[in-house]
Amino acid sequence: GENVEQHPSTLSVQEGDSAVIKCTYSDSASNYFPWYKQELGKRPQLIIDIRSNVGEKKDQRIAVTLNKTAKHFSLHITETQPEDSAVYFCAANGYGGSQGNLIFGKGTKLSVKP
Amino acid sequence: DAGVIQSPRHEVTEMGQEVTLRCKPISGHDYLFWYRQTMMRGLELLIYFNNNVPIDDSGMPEDRFSAKMPNASFSTLKIQPSEPRDSAVYFCASSLGGGGYGYTFGSGTRLTVV
Repeated sequence: GENVEQHPSTLSVQEGDSAVIKCTYSDSASNYFPWYKQELGKRPQLIIDIRSNVGEKKDQRIAVTLNKTAKHFSLHITETQPEDSAVYFCAANGYGGSQGNLIFGKGTKLSVKP
Repeated sequence: DAGVIQSPRHEVTEMGQEVTLRCKPISGHDYLFWYRQTMMRGLELLIYFNNNVPIDDSGMPEDRFSAKMPNASFSTLKIQPSEPRDSAVYFCASSLGGGGYGYTFGSGTRLTVV
Protein backbone atom coordinates (compact mmCIF):
# COMPACT_ATOMS: atom_id res chain seq x y z
CA GLY A 1 0.00 0.00 0.00
CA GLU A 2 0.88 3.67 -0.16
CA ASN A 3 3.43 5.11 2.27
CA VAL A 4 4.06 8.85 2.68
CA GLU A 5 7.13 10.25 4.39
CA GLN A 6 7.42 13.92 5.34
CA HIS A 7 10.44 16.03 6.25
CA PRO A 8 11.40 17.90 8.30
CA SER A 9 9.34 17.17 11.39
CA THR A 10 10.00 20.68 12.72
CA LEU A 11 10.96 23.86 10.90
CA SER A 12 11.72 27.28 12.32
CA VAL A 13 12.08 30.34 10.10
CA GLN A 14 12.22 34.09 10.50
CA GLU A 15 9.26 36.12 9.38
CA GLY A 16 9.64 36.97 5.71
CA ASP A 17 11.79 33.95 4.89
CA SER A 18 10.63 31.02 2.78
CA ALA A 19 9.73 27.59 4.10
CA VAL A 20 9.85 24.30 2.22
CA ILE A 21 8.36 21.00 3.33
CA LYS A 22 9.03 17.82 1.38
CA CYS A 23 7.16 14.56 1.03
CA THR A 24 7.81 11.31 -0.76
CA TYR A 25 5.31 8.63 -1.68
CA SER A 26 5.70 5.01 -2.65
CA ASP A 27 2.80 4.13 -4.94
CA SER A 28 3.34 5.33 -8.51
CA ALA A 29 -0.42 4.97 -9.10
CA SER A 30 -1.22 7.80 -6.66
CA ASN A 31 -2.55 10.83 -8.53
CA TYR A 32 -3.80 13.30 -5.92
CA PHE A 33 -1.63 15.15 -3.40
CA PRO A 34 -3.26 17.58 -0.94
CA TRP A 35 -1.72 19.64 1.83
CA TYR A 36 -3.47 20.39 5.12
CA LYS A 37 -2.76 23.03 7.73
CA GLN A 38 -3.65 22.43 11.35
CA GLU A 39 -3.48 25.29 13.81
CA LEU A 40 -3.17 24.50 17.48
CA GLY A 41 -6.36 22.99 18.83
CA LYS A 42 -8.17 23.14 15.50
CA ARG A 43 -9.08 20.82 12.66
CA PRO A 44 -6.83 20.10 9.66
CA GLN A 45 -7.86 22.28 6.74
CA LEU A 46 -7.08 21.81 3.08
CA ILE A 47 -4.87 24.64 1.81
CA ILE A 48 -3.75 23.46 -1.60
CA ASP A 49 -3.70 20.31 -3.70
CA ILE A 50 -2.19 19.06 -6.92
CA ARG A 51 -3.00 16.29 -9.36
CA SER A 52 -0.48 14.16 -11.18
CA ASN A 53 -1.09 15.80 -14.55
CA VAL A 54 0.30 19.08 -13.22
CA GLY A 55 3.86 19.87 -12.13
CA GLU A 56 3.24 23.01 -10.10
CA LYS A 57 0.35 24.95 -8.62
CA LYS A 58 0.35 28.33 -6.89
CA ASP A 59 -2.07 30.17 -4.67
CA GLN A 60 -0.77 33.52 -3.49
CA ARG A 61 2.13 32.80 -1.11
CA ILE A 62 1.89 29.04 -1.24
CA ALA A 63 2.87 26.67 -4.01
CA VAL A 64 3.16 22.95 -4.46
CA THR A 65 5.47 21.14 -6.85
CA LEU A 66 5.27 17.52 -7.94
CA ASN A 67 7.95 15.28 -9.42
CA LYS A 68 6.24 12.08 -10.52
CA THR A 69 9.43 10.42 -11.65
CA ALA A 70 11.08 10.83 -8.28
CA LYS A 71 7.75 10.40 -6.45
CA HIS A 72 8.08 13.46 -4.30
CA PHE A 73 6.16 16.67 -3.82
CA SER A 74 6.86 19.81 -1.87
CA LEU A 75 5.05 22.74 -0.24
CA HIS A 76 6.63 26.15 -0.59
CA ILE A 77 5.56 29.12 1.53
CA THR A 78 7.08 32.47 0.64
CA GLU A 79 7.19 35.65 2.74
CA THR A 80 6.22 33.71 5.84
CA GLN A 81 4.11 35.40 8.49
CA PRO A 82 3.50 34.48 12.15
CA GLU A 83 0.01 33.24 11.24
CA ASP A 84 1.63 30.58 9.05
CA SER A 85 2.79 28.88 12.26
CA ALA A 86 0.99 25.52 12.36
CA VAL A 87 1.43 21.82 11.65
CA TYR A 88 1.35 20.98 7.96
CA PHE A 89 0.43 17.54 6.65
CA CYS A 90 0.98 16.18 3.17
CA ALA A 91 -1.06 13.29 1.82
CA ALA A 92 -1.42 11.02 -1.18
CA ASN A 93 -4.37 8.98 -2.28
CA GLY A 94 -4.20 5.25 -1.87
CA TYR A 95 -4.82 2.91 -4.72
CA GLY A 96 -6.08 -0.58 -5.22
CA GLY A 97 -7.80 -1.71 -2.08
CA SER A 98 -7.38 1.64 -0.34
CA GLN A 99 -8.27 3.91 -3.23
CA GLY A 100 -10.94 5.63 -1.21
CA ASN A 101 -8.42 6.85 1.30
CA LEU A 102 -5.75 9.49 1.82
CA ILE A 103 -2.46 8.45 3.39
CA PHE A 104 -1.02 11.25 5.54
CA GLY A 105 2.55 12.12 6.39
CA LYS A 106 3.52 12.57 10.04
CA GLY A 107 3.37 16.35 9.85
CA THR A 108 5.77 19.30 10.00
CA LYS A 109 5.53 21.83 12.80
CA LEU A 110 6.35 25.21 11.30
CA SER A 111 7.26 28.07 13.60
CA VAL A 112 7.58 31.57 12.14
CA LYS A 113 9.46 33.92 14.45
CA PRO A 114 8.60 37.62 14.26
CA ASP B 1 -23.42 24.04 4.68
CA ALA B 2 -22.49 23.68 8.35
CA GLY B 3 -19.58 21.41 7.54
CA VAL B 4 -18.81 18.15 9.30
CA ILE B 5 -20.35 18.20 12.76
CA GLN B 6 -18.94 16.16 15.63
CA SER B 7 -20.18 15.75 19.15
CA PRO B 8 -19.25 16.00 21.88
CA ARG B 9 -16.31 18.43 21.58
CA HIS B 10 -14.80 17.18 24.82
CA GLU B 11 -15.37 13.97 26.72
CA VAL B 12 -13.86 12.97 30.03
CA THR B 13 -14.69 9.49 31.22
CA GLU B 14 -13.46 6.91 33.65
CA MET B 15 -11.61 3.82 32.56
CA GLY B 16 -13.98 1.00 31.76
CA GLN B 17 -16.86 3.22 30.69
CA GLU B 18 -18.44 3.17 27.26
CA VAL B 19 -17.79 6.18 25.05
CA THR B 20 -19.77 7.10 21.94
CA LEU B 21 -18.56 9.73 19.49
CA ARG B 22 -20.90 11.11 16.85
CA CYS B 23 -20.46 12.56 13.40
CA LYS B 24 -22.70 14.18 10.82
CA PRO B 25 -20.99 14.42 7.42
CA ILE B 26 -21.57 17.10 4.82
CA SER B 27 -24.78 16.43 2.97
CA GLY B 28 -24.12 14.64 -0.31
CA HIS B 29 -20.67 13.37 0.61
CA ASP B 30 -20.33 9.65 -0.03
CA TYR B 31 -17.22 8.91 2.03
CA LEU B 32 -16.81 9.18 5.79
CA PHE B 33 -13.57 8.68 7.70
CA TRP B 34 -12.68 8.33 11.38
CA TYR B 35 -9.16 9.37 12.41
CA ARG B 36 -7.37 9.41 15.74
CA GLN B 37 -4.67 11.98 16.42
CA THR B 38 -1.98 11.75 19.10
CA MET B 39 1.40 13.40 19.45
CA MET B 40 3.19 10.09 19.17
CA ARG B 41 1.35 8.56 16.22
CA GLY B 42 0.03 11.53 14.29
CA LEU B 43 -3.16 11.09 12.25
CA GLU B 44 -4.21 7.44 12.17
CA LEU B 45 -7.04 6.21 10.01
CA LEU B 46 -9.34 4.00 12.04
CA ILE B 47 -12.08 3.14 9.54
CA TYR B 48 -13.82 4.55 6.51
CA PHE B 49 -17.20 4.13 4.87
CA ASN B 50 -18.38 4.51 1.30
CA ASN B 51 -22.13 4.95 0.85
CA ASN B 52 -22.62 3.85 4.48
CA VAL B 53 -20.72 0.58 3.97
CA PRO B 54 -17.48 0.00 5.92
CA ILE B 55 -14.64 -0.40 3.42
CA ASP B 56 -11.48 -0.62 5.50
CA ASP B 57 -11.42 -1.11 9.26
CA SER B 58 -7.85 -2.35 9.47
CA GLY B 59 -6.90 0.67 11.56
CA MET B 60 -9.32 -0.11 14.36
CA PRO B 61 -6.98 -0.89 17.26
CA GLU B 62 -8.88 -3.77 18.78
CA ASP B 63 -12.29 -5.22 19.43
CA ARG B 64 -13.05 -2.53 21.95
CA PHE B 65 -13.58 -0.14 19.04
CA SER B 66 -16.60 -0.30 16.76
CA ALA B 67 -18.10 2.07 14.20
CA LYS B 68 -21.44 2.26 12.46
CA MET B 69 -23.03 4.34 9.77
CA PRO B 70 -26.76 3.58 9.81
CA ASN B 71 -27.55 6.24 7.21
CA ALA B 72 -25.88 8.84 5.01
CA SER B 73 -26.11 11.58 7.62
CA PHE B 74 -24.86 9.91 10.79
CA SER B 75 -22.00 7.81 12.07
CA THR B 76 -20.83 6.70 15.50
CA LEU B 77 -17.54 5.48 16.90
CA LYS B 78 -17.87 3.51 20.10
CA ILE B 79 -15.20 2.44 22.59
CA GLN B 80 -16.20 -0.16 25.14
CA PRO B 81 -14.55 -0.47 27.60
CA SER B 82 -12.42 2.66 27.41
CA GLU B 83 -8.80 2.73 28.59
CA PRO B 84 -6.42 5.61 29.38
CA ARG B 85 -4.40 4.89 26.21
CA ASP B 86 -7.50 5.73 24.16
CA SER B 87 -7.07 9.38 25.16
CA ALA B 88 -6.67 11.33 21.91
CA VAL B 89 -8.45 13.68 19.56
CA TYR B 90 -10.83 11.82 17.28
CA PHE B 91 -11.64 13.44 13.95
CA CYS B 92 -14.38 12.61 11.55
CA ALA B 93 -13.98 13.70 7.92
CA SER B 94 -16.14 13.43 4.84
CA SER B 95 -15.46 13.60 1.12
CA LEU B 96 -17.25 13.53 -2.19
CA GLY B 97 -15.37 10.92 -4.17
CA GLY B 98 -12.96 9.59 -1.58
CA GLY B 99 -9.18 9.75 -1.67
CA GLY B 100 -8.98 11.46 -5.02
CA TYR B 101 -10.58 14.57 -3.58
CA GLY B 102 -10.14 16.75 -0.53
CA TYR B 103 -11.47 15.86 2.86
CA THR B 104 -13.39 18.18 5.14
CA PHE B 105 -12.63 17.50 8.77
CA GLY B 106 -14.92 18.06 11.72
CA SER B 107 -13.77 19.96 14.78
CA GLY B 108 -12.83 16.77 16.56
CA THR B 109 -13.66 15.21 19.92
CA ARG B 110 -10.99 15.44 22.58
CA LEU B 111 -11.32 12.26 24.64
CA THR B 112 -9.69 11.91 28.04
CA VAL B 113 -9.94 8.59 29.84
CA VAL B 114 -8.90 8.76 33.49
